[in-house]
Amino acid sequence: EPEVTQTPSHQVTQMGQEVILRCVPISNHLYFYWYRQILGQKVEFLVSFYNNEISEKSEIFDDQFSVERPDGSNFTLKIRSTKLEDSAMYFCASSWTSGEETQYFGPGTRLLVL
Amino acid sequence: GDSVTQMEGPVTLSEEAFLTINCTYTATGYPSLFWYVQYPGEGLQLLLKATKADDKGSNKGFEATYRKETTSFHLEKGSVQVSDSAVYFCALRATSNTGKLIFGQGTTLQVKP
Repeated sequence: EPEVTQTPSHQVTQMGQEVILRCVPISNHLYFYWYRQILGQKVEFLVSFYNNEISEKSEIFDDQFSVERPDGSNFTLKIRSTKLEDSAMYFCASSWTSGEETQYFGPGTRLLVL
Repeated sequence: GDSVTQMEGPVTLSEEAFLTINCTYTATGYPSLFWYVQYPGEGLQLLLKATKADDKGSNKGFEATYRKETTSFHLEKGSVQVSDSAVYFCALRATSNTGKLIFGQGTTLQVKP
């Protein structure tokens, strides 16, 4: 069964450093998402992406965050200057449409900012 | 704004016990409702969904009914197994049509033999 993959599974970085989290969505999917979950808190929506554009972003997704689909397979989340409060599990998801289709989630990247 | 509230966990049950995990929502319009499950070390997997009032989603013995009058989508299973131990998330898809999911805080279920 096709699945969403994410790399790395864990990342430790120093405050102020840039990090790039990578995702390979399911190959024929058109809609891509990032969510995050701070330890002990809810899973929160960050951004949705379709047709090489952001279609919606949350208040969390400020100028420090960016997303890119650099080629036909990868979908990346970049945090330009990490803060302590960016420490969280980041989930990538993809779906065929934005409507009734199921979103398929990757296993997540656990980011720790020191 | 739209929101989802789940019962606090952890929930600890013996094998073959009846499970209910409560979920209520606040939303404008007619959102779709979902239950996702996260097994240890894995990503979120869709367990079941319902897209309109009175729909019942079911999968692997789990059921949930979309109740618009009580804005609820409670998860139930008649007889849990040890393998059901996981974190369960209730979610709604906002009516913004961008696919954005709004999650509850998750409920940890531990089933003991």
